[in-house]
Amino acid sequence: GDSVTQTEGLVTLTKGLPVMLNCTYQTTYSPFLFWYVQHLNEAPKLLLKSSTDNKRTEHQGFYATLHKSSSSFHLQKSSVQLSDSALYFCALTAYQGGRALIFGTGTTVSVSP
Amino acid sequence: EAAVTQSPRNKVAVTGGKVTLSCNQTNNHNNMYWYRQDTGHGLRLIHYSYGAGSTEKGDIPDGYKASRPSQENFSLILELATPSQTSVYFCASGDPGQGQDTQYFGPGTRLLVL
Repeated sequence: GDSVTQTEGLVTLTKGLPVMLNCTYQTTYSPFLFWYVQHLNEAPKLLLKSSTDNKRTEHQGFYATLHKSSSSFHLQKSSVQLSDSALYFCALTAYQGGRALIFGTGTTVSVSP
Repeated sequence: EAAVTQSPRNKVAVTGGKVTLSCNQTNNHNNMYWYRQDTGHGLRLIHYSYGAGSTEKGDIPDGYKASRPSQENFSLILELATPSQTSVYFCASGDPGQGQDTQYFGPGTRLLVL
């Protein structure tokens, strides 16, 4: 069945450094990928989305490119800020189940001064 | 900005008791979803709905029922709550039939079953 894999559970880094969060997926359908960000005690909010192969999408300094050849949708930022500390989920639209989202297990990003 | 609200925000229940979690959306989206969030699992789909009167089972429906009395409201019902249902529950709405694959989430309900 469809699935999403995030390999890092926790990423700790210093303000100003670059970050990359890994996301790979499995689906037999045409993929529609999302990155959601969840700050502490808040709802997940959409950060990025894409269904276009090899096209970079950007928002709030974050960017990601969907690569269908490698089934990947890695999230990157060139210089993290303290406010980027949050839980990041990669998600895939399921083509059954009312097009619900299939989530990865999430990556916690902790940025220190 | 799309709006989804949930009530209550926090709930303490006893084992074997009945719990109802409510969700309201003002987005006029057809689809609504209930997820639970647990550490190490991400968010998992419990039930979803295509519109008023419709409820469908998601990936982990055991122990849960759902009700969609109107376009705006979608409830999750735990008839006999168990400690394993202690979790954070999120409601979401979306309209994939109208090209709106983005889902908008409510603030969550933190449920503790003792």
